[in-house]
Amino acid sequence: DIQMTQSPSTLSASVGDRVTITCRASQSISSWLAWYQQKPGKAPNLLINKASSLESGVPSRFSGSGSGTEFTLTISGLQPDDFATYYCQQYKSYSITFGGGTKVEIK
Amino acid sequence: QVQIQQWGAGLLKPSETLSLTCAVYGGSFSGNYWSWIRQPPGKGLEWIGEINHSGSINYNPSLKSRATISVDTSKNQFSLKMSSVTAADTAVYYCARGVNRGSYYNYWGQGILVTVSS
Repeated sequence: DIQMTQSPSTLSASVGDRVTITCRASQSISSWLAWYQQKPGKAPNLLINKASSLESGVPSRFSGSGSGTEFTLTISGLQPDDFATYYCQQYKSYSITFGGGTKVEIK
Repeated sequence: QVQIQQWGAGLLKPSETLSLTCAVYGGSFSGNYWSWIRQPPGKGLEWIGEINHSGSINYNPSLKSRATISVDTSKNQFSLKMSSVTAADTAVYYCARGVNRGSYYNYWGQGILVTVSS
């Protein structure tokens, strides 16, 4: 299986901050990476596919970049609604794997 | 608009068989892959497997021996059975729609907490 490692596991930030979350793959996954946001008690919500393609309806303050083994999710201007846990997911391999998650907390 | 509704037993004893079903409303059932994903309390996401309308199935190798995914195209439903459950199988189980085989997930069910306890 392709292992996905996210960092940091927890991030404390303030409203208006620029936040960056990193996801590393144990082998190259080209751009076959998705990002999700999950709030407590809710299913994950797809934000970005193919590393940088923003889903319809997702605010433009979210952006994704990277290819190969290193990827980033950036939130430019953190909003109160953005405090949540974020997961990356690779789909290069038919055996899907997720990162361990990054919880974005209020500072 | 696609909606996915899921149901099944939420409390099991060790060694019993987990059984969950998802029904899909709206969108194309035959044009997508349908997955099961679980999340232990306070932990991350684990992919269980996927199926399409014609019954093509892929499983997580670590769960393949105990998981069975099936589809009922007449009802736009798909199901998960997992045998010989233990406390380690306690999790919220989600069903989700993949754009194609081995894909990302753009629609999710509401999730069901399955607790395994004696």
